[in-house]
This record gives sequence, structure tokens and C-alpha cells, in this order.
Amino acid sequence: AQTVTQSQPEMSVQEAETVTLSCTYDTSESDYYLFWYKQPPSRQMILVIRQEAYKQQNATENRFSVNFQKAAKSFSLKISDSQLGDAAMYFCASIGVASGSEKLVFGKGTKLTVNP
Amino acid sequence: KAGVTQTPRYLIKTRGQQVTLSCSPISGHRSVSWYQQTPGQGLQFLFEYFSETQRNKGNFPGRFSGRQFSNSRSEMNVSTLELGDSALYLCASSLRVSSYNEQFFGPGTRLTVL
Repeated sequence: AQTVTQSQPEMSVQEAETVTLSCTYDTSESDYYLFWYKQPPSRQMILVIRQEAYKQQNATENRFSVNFQKAAKSFSLKISDSQLGDAAMYFCASIGVASGSEKLVFGKGTKLTVNP
Repeated sequence: KAGVTQTPRYLIKTRGQQVTLSCSPISGHRSVSWYQQTPGQGLQFLFEYFSETQRNKGNFPGRFSGRQFSNSRSEMNVSTLELGDSALYLCASSLRVSSYNEQFFGPGTRLTVL
């Protein structure tokens, strides 16, 4: 079984500043992937970044990077140089590999507001 | 390449009715998954289909059903609608050719049950 917990229902950041969104997870699988998805208001959910559990190096995609702490089961998202277009709901999610399923388990989300 | 499309985008139904939602995956994608999104419960997995076969099912009552056609398009049906079924229903498609397959989401169908 997998669970994903996002403890920050809402966060805000000033434009051009840096913000970190938190996520913890639990899984019984030895091989899994972790993701951050972005859902802008009334727009489609898109994948921001993914992390393969067996890779120790933290994933980075332009201004987005993660801090993956496997032992602590922590997976935070850092957004650098925040832009107005970053305002959205952010969901942390996990998927196990061994099961062969494509079932994503999501956290409850963090609403990010970017202030000009 | 066109993205995942869902029809209709908005639906209003009354309690007791049934509804069918449709999802067309990205061309070439053979796997379709469905999720229910509500403010209270968040995103919850409904079903997963691959090659017309249901591969996995979430913890939802039997009123929720789905199917996948030979062209990979998928439909989900909710019978005897309840107020609590009001939600955004999202589908996602993937190639499903390896252990990791990025899932691409559609815009969703907003269902309101009165």
C-alpha cells in the first residue's frame, strides 16, 4: 500500500523568490517513482518533475528541483525564481513498479500563490 | 499530436440518473486510467485499462464501471447518481511500454449532481 502526505494546504511566495513544497510518502514497494504534478486553475494537470527511487541524484528540471530523502521518505519540491505562471495546485504522487499498475497515489495538494 | 480529450466537459445530472463519460487517449497510447477529484477526498484512482482489459480498480462502489474499446478510447459509467458523485473526473493515458510510463492527463469532465 502507498500513501502520500502533503502537510501544507496553501503556500505563498513572492515573484522571483524561492519556495519549497513538502511531501512525505510511505510505500511497501522496493522500486517506485515519485512525481510532482501541477494543476493550474481550470487547466490540465501536467507533470513537473519525476524521481526514480533507485537514483540517489536529485532530479532537476530548469527552475524545479527536488530534495529526495529516501530514508526519511521525504520528497520536497523547490521552485526557484518563482513566476506568476507557477501559481497552481501542486500534487505529490507515487507509483509502484513491481505491481505493474499505473495507479498513481496522490497527496491532497498544496495551493501555491505567487504574489507580484 | 493531439492531447487527451474528454467529453463532455461539463455535465449536470440529478440524483438517481446515470451518466457516461468518454476519454480519447493520445494517439498510440494504449493505457487509460480514470481518477475522481473532489475537494474533500482529493484525487482518487478509479480504474485502469490496457488493451480493453481492466488491469486495476480503485475502492469505489459497483455503481462505477468502465470499459475500453479496441481503439483505446475509454468510457466510464456511473449509475444511480448520488450527490457525492459531484466531482471532476480525469482520465490519463500512457504508452505503457516499460516500467515507467508518463501519464498525460485530459482536461476533465466536471459532473454536478443535483
